[in-house]
Amino acid sequence: AQSVTQLGSHVSVSEGALVLLRCNYSSSVPPYLFWYVQYPNQGLQLLLKYTSAATLVKGINGFEAEFKKSETSFHLTKPSAHMSDAAEYFCAVSDQTNNLFFGTGTRLTVIP
Amino acid sequence: EPEVTQTPSHQVTQMGQEVILRCVPISNHLYFYWYRQILGQKVEFLVSFYNNEISEKSEIFDDQFSVERPDGSNFTLKIRSTKLEDSAMYFCASSEGPGLIQYFGAGTRLSVL
Repeated sequence: AQSVTQLGSHVSVSEGALVLLRCNYSSSVPPYLFWYVQYPNQGLQLLLKYTSAATLVKGINGFEAEFKKSETSFHLTKPSAHMSDAAEYFCAVSDQTNNLFFGTGTRLTVIP
Repeated sequence: EPEVTQTPSHQVTQMGQEVILRCVPISNHLYFYWYRQILGQKVEFLVSFYNNEISEKSEIFDDQFSVERPDGSNFTLKIRSTKLEDSAMYFCASSEGPGLIQYFGAGTRLSVL
């Protein structure tokens, strides 16, 4: 069975500070891993995707995530937070059936 | 940029009533999905649909739920007799193919009173 756990339902960072959103996965097969972002009143938008190629994945808006098999982690980072990064972030894992299994989400607040 | 459109954005209904949530997937996509998120909980997979039939469904997707692609553009989720616990945000998604990126709509918030 596939699942993800997101540590921290709320994260606050100052503008310009490092963003670190944590995600750990559980999968019985080599996983596909995703980070989605949801801005207020909008749909889930794909930030980045890991599909067993490079372990460091770069996404949109300066975000990146590193797949660490030994730690079963896929944490999302951004070196310098911007006010426009304030949103809800979802980690997800996909199994062989192509269905997505999401975490509970982390709400990121950026403090000016 | 093409997008998945969901209507209405908010649906309020009485317990026991039928509701239909509507989605217009991206036009060249072939795979369609419904997910839901109960407030404060995970986004959960409900059902996937391909070639006019259900590909897979979760335990949540019981006999009260059904999906349909009535006219080649809309993709609908019907809840036959709503329960209080059906209150949630329902997301529609579509993709070009299996293993490819799923594009999501903004969701429909269903409130069952």
